[in-house]
Amino acid sequence: DADVTQTPRNRITKTGKRIMLECSQTKGHDRMYWYRQDPGLGLRLIYYSFDVKDINKGEISDGYSVSRQAQAKFSLSLESAIPNQTALYFCATSDGGSLGQPQHFGDGTRLSIL
Amino acid sequence: GNSVTQMEGPVTLSEEAFLTINCTYTATGYPSLFWYVQYPGEGLQLLLKATKADDKGSNKGFEATYRKETTSFHLEKGSVQVSDSAVYFCALNSGGYQKVTFGTGTKLQVIP
Repeated sequence: DADVTQTPRNRITKTGKRIMLECSQTKGHDRMYWYRQDPGLGLRLIYYSFDVKDINKGEISDGYSVSRQAQAKFSLSLESAIPNQTALYFCATSDGGSLGQPQHFGDGTRLSIL
Repeated sequence: GNSVTQMEGPVTLSEEAFLTINCTYTATGYPSLFWYVQYPGEGLQLLLKATKADDKGSNKGFEATYRKETTSFHLEKGSVQVSDSAVYFCALNSGGYQKVTFGTGTKLQVIP
């Protein structure tokens, strides 16, 4: 089983719909992140959380919200989806303690908004 | 703020060719540096890392040396294989909250 699991893997929906992307992890890490990937732009941070009671905005949080339901679960919501939110979304986790700790990624959710 | 600049792709090489993907960075303090690889349909996975100046990270035949004087972390491999075809991301972490800054990615295509 994957250490970081994202659901769904693919989603097509319409403008204005509410969408939730879910992420769960079995790595036991406290820190979780949501990124979006767009061609030519690399990965951009949407939100991050260092524990259940800690939620922080990233560089592109407008139009998104998150919920950290448990140490192992971190969900991303689009309250009213718009076409320019079409992208590949990744959840990641990391272990705290030093700058040298890598991030561990799920396989992504490909989201298309029509 | 922090930034990572890596060469634009796509890079197309023949099998067994030498690979270099350039990466330079701007950061405060003493960042840790990473290369991640993304295979089609998958998430990013760590390829190698270096945590201080002059460290060399290596894995699967890939190498990169942390050069503080030139603020660079170029990825190299002596002989690429078709299975190395992927997108490669250079990244750094210099903040106390482990917010990682990624480059835009370089797509590598290796042809037989």
